[in-house]
Amino acid sequence: DAGVIQSPRHEVTEMGQEVTLRCKPISGHNSLFWYRQTMMRGLELLIYFNNNVPIDDSGMPEDRFSAKMPNASFSTLKIQPSEPRDSAVYFCASSQTGWGTEAFFGQGTRLTVV
Amino acid sequence: GESVGLHLPTLSVQEGDNSIINCAYSNSASDYFIWYKQESGKGPQFIIDIRSNMDKRQGQRVTVLLNKTVKHLSLQIAATQPGDSAVYFCAETGSGAGSYQLTFGKGTKLSVIP
Repeated sequence: DAGVIQSPRHEVTEMGQEVTLRCKPISGHNSLFWYRQTMMRGLELLIYFNNNVPIDDSGMPEDRFSAKMPNASFSTLKIQPSEPRDSAVYFCASSQTGWGTEAFFGQGTRLTVV
Repeated sequence: GESVGLHLPTLSVQEGDNSIINCAYSNSASDYFIWYKQESGKGPQFIIDIRSNMDKRQGQRVTVLLNKTVKHLSLQIAATQPGDSAVYFCAETGSGAGSYQLTFGKGTKLSVIP
């Protein structure tokens, strides 16, 4: 298995632009997590899906952030409009059991908003 | 512009020596504790976990110790190798419905001196 696949690996965009991050979870995993990592705040859970349904989006920082999971093999995290403070590494992780303890992480997308 | 980020605690260890990485947690109700390893440019990778009803668990070259009295977790790496150089995070999670919510520590950077 190729593991959790994220794209793009790096994204540089101008403030105000829309950004879409993509994730393909491990086949057969029914839970998907989006995390954000910054030096100031460390790793933070943004949203958790179980069987394609958003269960907890309390970590989504504001309405500019949205996430979808149209099917079991694909998820997107969208930021519109983007701001410089959104610059971070965004990780997608998937799990077979729904427990964060057994989550496998992707390589991450490094987002820079200028 | 961006705020200056926090510097990670750093542990420098001679190759072949044992490493001990410490972590304090705050939630006495946490049920699972996990250590993750994050290499540069990669996502966190699961190393070992321990449940709250245990105080020690061993893996291959790694041992996790849990002291619930003082809410302290440690990761011991035996015969540290250059490939162990990475940032190590402890994480905690509750039980039951909230078990997907992983709370990560800030991380410790391990540097192995050849």
